[in-house]
Amino acid sequence: AQSVTQLGSHVSVSEGALVLLRCNYSSSVPPYLFWYVQYPNQGLQLLLKYTSAATLVKGINGFEAEFKKSETSFHLTKPSAHMSDAAEYFCAVIRGGTASKLTFGTGTRLQVTL
Amino acid sequence: EAGVTQSPTHLIKTRGQQVTLRCSPISGHTSVYWYQQALGLGLQFLLWYDEGEERNRGNFPPRFSGRQFPNYSSELNVNALELEDSALYLCASSNPSGANVLTFGAGSRLTVL
Repeated sequence: AQSVTQLGSHVSVSEGALVLLRCNYSSSVPPYLFWYVQYPNQGLQLLLKYTSAATLVKGINGFEAEFKKSETSFHLTKPSAHMSDAAEYFCAVIRGGTASKLTFGTGTRLQVTL
Repeated sequence: EAGVTQSPTHLIKTRGQQVTLRCSPISGHTSVYWYQQALGLGLQFLLWYDEGEERNRGNFPPRFSGRQFPNYSSELNVNALELEDSALYLCASSNPSGANVLTFGAGSRLTVL
């Protein structure tokens, strides 16, 4: 079974600093990987997705993620944090090829300080 | 284009009651998914409906049920509410060619007292 592990339930960065949110997956086959963001009192919004094309995936709001098969990782980065990036971020993987098998990580809450 | 809409946004029920949550998918989307986001438990898959049929079900008891209507909207019903059913219930939709991308609604927050 495929799953994802998000390291760090809370991450705090200063405004303007690098954002790095970690996600590792377990998969016996090439996975579909996603990052979603959830702002307070809202649903989830897709940031980016990896579907076996380019290993470096660019998403919305300046975020990007790199698929590294050798490390089974799909970490999310942003060069310069903004206050508006404060939210909860979820890594997710498709199990079995259909969206009904989408499995989420436990989430990482990003805090951005002045 | 309207997004995924859910109603009600907030509701409070007492133990043993029943609740119905509603979801309207994005126009053209035929699949609807329900997730439960309970405090400390993350996002748990509940149900998947496609073309009016239940296609898959998560590890939840039978008192969680739902249906999808001909216009692809969906209802989630929870009977005999328990305190631990308190959660944000998220609905998402996708289209057949959507590359497994789900678009989520803002959710219905259920509090069971």
